[in-house]
Amino acid sequence: DVVMTQTPLSLSVTPGQPASISCQSSQSLLHRDGRTYLYWYLQKPGQSPQLLIYEVSNRFSGVPDRFSGSGSGTDFTLHISRVEVEDVGVYYCMQSIRHRPYTFGQGTRLEIK
Amino acid sequence: QVQLVESGGGVVQPGGSLRLSCAASGFSFRSFGMHWVRQAPGKGLEWVATSSYDGGDIYYADSVKGRFSISRDNSKNTLFLDMNSLRPEDTALYFCAREGNCESTTCPFDSWGQGTKVIVSS
Repeated sequence: DVVMTQTPLSLSVTPGQPASISCQSSQSLLHRDGRTYLYWYLQKPGQSPQLLIYEVSNRFSGVPDRFSGSGSGTDFTLHISRVEVEDVGVYYCMQSIRHRPYTFGQGTRLEIK
Repeated sequence: QVQLVESGGGVVQPGGSLRLSCAASGFSFRSFGMHWVRQAPGKGLEWVATSSYDGGDIYYADSVKGRFSISRDNSKNTLFLDMNSLRPEDTALYFCAREGNCESTTCPFDSWGQGTKVIVSS
């Protein structure tokens, strides 16, 4: 199975400041079709997960442009340019290159200072 | 808009069974792959099972293989998860999720329900 490792597991950010979360996979997520199957989700308190980023760097519909993704191969990063109070929650990376099984990172909890 | 509503959760003794349902609306259910994902209390997300759009391709996590069965009724826009031989470690919030349509080999889970809680305890 592809193991996804996120760092840090928690972070506390002042509103308006940037934040970044790293995700490392145990195998390359670059598919032979040339795409890289790495996604980012945010689970706000008491809610179900919501898709933020697909295929490393593409923002999903309705996602604010303060969210961006970067990376390649086995190393990926989610960037938040200016954290807002509504960004609180747990962020997960997920891979689907080996979609049996799909695997998630452990989650990174973001709180506001 | 897309809506996924899970039901069927509850408290069950170890070794017991439950059937979860996920009622879909707001999109052409028969055209989308669907998944079950669970979240144990205070823990992260774990993929459980997948059904292709027509139920022809089905996959399970090793942790549930042989005990859980995913199915769907496209005429009723409903996804199911039959859970047998339940164990305390199956205690979790169970989400159904839609796999989006895209041009790639695999597509992200782009819509999720609010989940139904399963507690396995004596």
